[in-house]
Amino acid sequence: EVQLVESGGGLVQPGASLKLSCVASGFTFSDYWMSWVRQTPGKTMEWIGDIKYDGSYTNYAPSLKNRFTISRDNAKSTLYLQMSNVRSEDTATYYCTRDDTMGSGYWGQGVMVTVSS
Amino acid sequence: DIQMTQSPASLSASLGETVSIECLASEGISNSLAWYQQKPGKSPQLLIYGASSLQDGVPSRFSGSGSGTQYSLKISGMQPEDEGVYYCQQGYKYPFTFGSGTKLEIK
Repeated sequence: EVQLVESGGGLVQPGASLKLSCVASGFTFSDYWMSWVRQTPGKTMEWIGDIKYDGSYTNYAPSLKNRFTISRDNAKSTLYLQMSNVRSEDTATYYCTRDDTMGSGYWGQGVMVTVSS
Repeated sequence: DIQMTQSPASLSASLGETVSIECLASEGISNSLAWYQQKPGKSPQLLIYGASSLQDGVPSRFSGSGSGTQYSLKISGMQPEDEGVYYCQQGYKYPFTFGSGTKLEIK
């Protein structure tokens, strides 16, 4: 069974950094592109970015590129999202997803990040 | 960025009714469109990919169609478990943008 389990969220102050993790199981992690998607409290869905199966290539939403970094450790079947200089508008539920043919076929349960002083 | 305009924002349907949700892309996306369903408190689930291909395990009452800039999701015979929010997402050009969602409820 495919499972994606995110962790690392919580309450963080504006300007701080935070690193989210997503541990994958039930499939060969190194065979798949992976993505991060976030959902705001108002339910808006925003694609953050993705990473190639071998970690050699990443793409980002332009508005987030300078502050967010996606990486992976295939030996640990783990996807990461490094967030820096966080702002109140980064408050959201963050999902990791497995990229299948023309869509995200599997999603984690999500992890909440709240940016507030 | 490609803008995805989804309509309607909300919809209520009777059991057994056929429902359609539309997604309009700001430029052609060559059928690179996915539909997701999100039930309250749950993660989104992929329903349709490539505009019209049904994801494994998804009931056949769900179907997708369209081309160019216009796409639609149809539910043929609304069921209670179909309540939720539906999103479209284009996968044609980075960044892969979402529609704003359609909340579907039972009437």
